[in-house]
Amino acid sequence: DQQVKQNSPSLSVQEGRISILNCDYTNSMFDYFLWYKKYPAEGPTFLISISSIKDKNEDGRFTVFLNKSAKHLSLHIVPSQPGDSAVYFCAASAPRGSQGNLIFGKGTKLSVKP
Amino acid sequence: ETGVTQTPRHLVMGMTNKKSLKCEQHLGHNAMYWYKQSAKKPLELMFVYNFKEQTENNSVPSRFSPECPNSSHLFLHLHTLQPEDSALYLCASSPTGNEKLFFGSGTQLSVL
Repeated sequence: DQQVKQNSPSLSVQEGRISILNCDYTNSMFDYFLWYKKYPAEGPTFLISISSIKDKNEDGRFTVFLNKSAKHLSLHIVPSQPGDSAVYFCAASAPRGSQGNLIFGKGTKLSVKP
Repeated sequence: ETGVTQTPRHLVMGMTNKKSLKCEQHLGHNAMYWYKQSAKKPLELMFVYNFKEQTENNSVPSRFSPECPNSSHLFLHLHTLQPEDSALYLCASSPTGNEKLFFGSGTQLSVL
């Protein structure tokens, strides 16, 4: 059973508009959330993260929102650029333990059209 | 360039072959990981090493055998794999106690 779900396998957005990628989780013990970006033939690269004590974290064009009561987070990219086209993975971790035991979603493929 | 280098980038092997995947990190990190990404599945953690000691084995079959001779190098030895083991194998590293992983580009493995 998936603990981190990205229900949209793909998303297509026009250049300059907002991209919103969504992620839901089931484990209320998760306290740290990350977004990774992956281009073809490359490994995932860290993009932005948020701790459960916050509900928003912003870094340039990227903002992550966390709604703990809904167990939902989202990544907003504004404005979207063609170079943002990639697969975006949501990941979560719980206090623990097992270092590095991030739970990943299946990813959402974002296509930004010029 | 993330500072984590994996070789080979692509590997095709038969079920009776023995091969090894190599990972090297130049970031001074103390933790290294193997992840598996199968088509249409999330990344799955396989093994974790902290200061060369294995701290996690995520119920991985024994046909996958990791080796970590030092904090900069990690190997995954493959032996009598099955076609369903075909996947992208990703190595990652992190500073100890930090979830921000730095991934290599992966080895795309095909088992025939």
